[in-house]
Amino acid sequence: QVQLVESGGGLVKSGGSLRLSCAASGFTFSDHYMSWIRQAPGKGLEWVSYITTSGSTMYYADSVKGRFTISRDNAKNSLYLQLNSLRVDDTAVYYCSSAGGEYWGQGTLVTVSS
Amino acid sequence: QSALTQPPSVSGSPGQSVTISCTGTRNDVGSYNRVTWYQQTPGTAPKLMIHGVTNRPSGVPDRFSGSKSGNTASLTISGLQAEDEADYYCSSYTSRSTYVFGTGTRVTVL
Repeated sequence: QVQLVESGGGLVKSGGSLRLSCAASGFTFSDHYMSWIRQAPGKGLEWVSYITTSGSTMYYADSVKGRFTISRDNAKNSLYLQLNSLRVDDTAVYYCSSAGGEYWGQGTLVTVSS
Repeated sequence: QSALTQPPSVSGSPGQSVTISCTGTRNDVGSYNRVTWYQQTPGTAPKLMIHGVTNRPSGVPDRFSGSKSGNTASLTISGLQAEDEADYYCSSYTSRSTYVFGTGTRVTVL
């Protein structure tokens, strides 16, 4: 069955960095645009970024542009999100999903402390 | 990019119909038939309910339907059931080749 499993979340200080990973299985990963979406505690969903099938094109929300970098490795069926210059308001559960929304992971929590 | 506007909450009795609106601009909802609706229950990942404004994935009950008029998309739940109690979010593709989510709506079954 389809699985997306995120990892790499944790507690980091403001200004720090983290790298999130998302391991995909059960579908043809290389055929799908992939996204990262986040949800701050008790808040709504916020689209963060997506990447095309080949990995050649990426788009970002204004709130993370210049600080976050999305990438993928189709040979490893994996999606990544590099988070730099983290701020307290980046605290959220980060979900990876297919860009069409049909597949979602369970999320990984990123907590940024001051 | 501002979030799409949804009512904070809607409610209805079992068997009734409820409609959730999702208002954007001509730069997102108004220009693209790429509106998606998600259902989220506490502690779980969102679930796709409607894509491409009106299309229901297999496994989603046919009491869920989507529509769009101008800059506003809508999700209607007909024959409301207790299991439909959840948060619902819309999403749209935008003219900047990005996506934007709605503010979210809590559906309560009375």
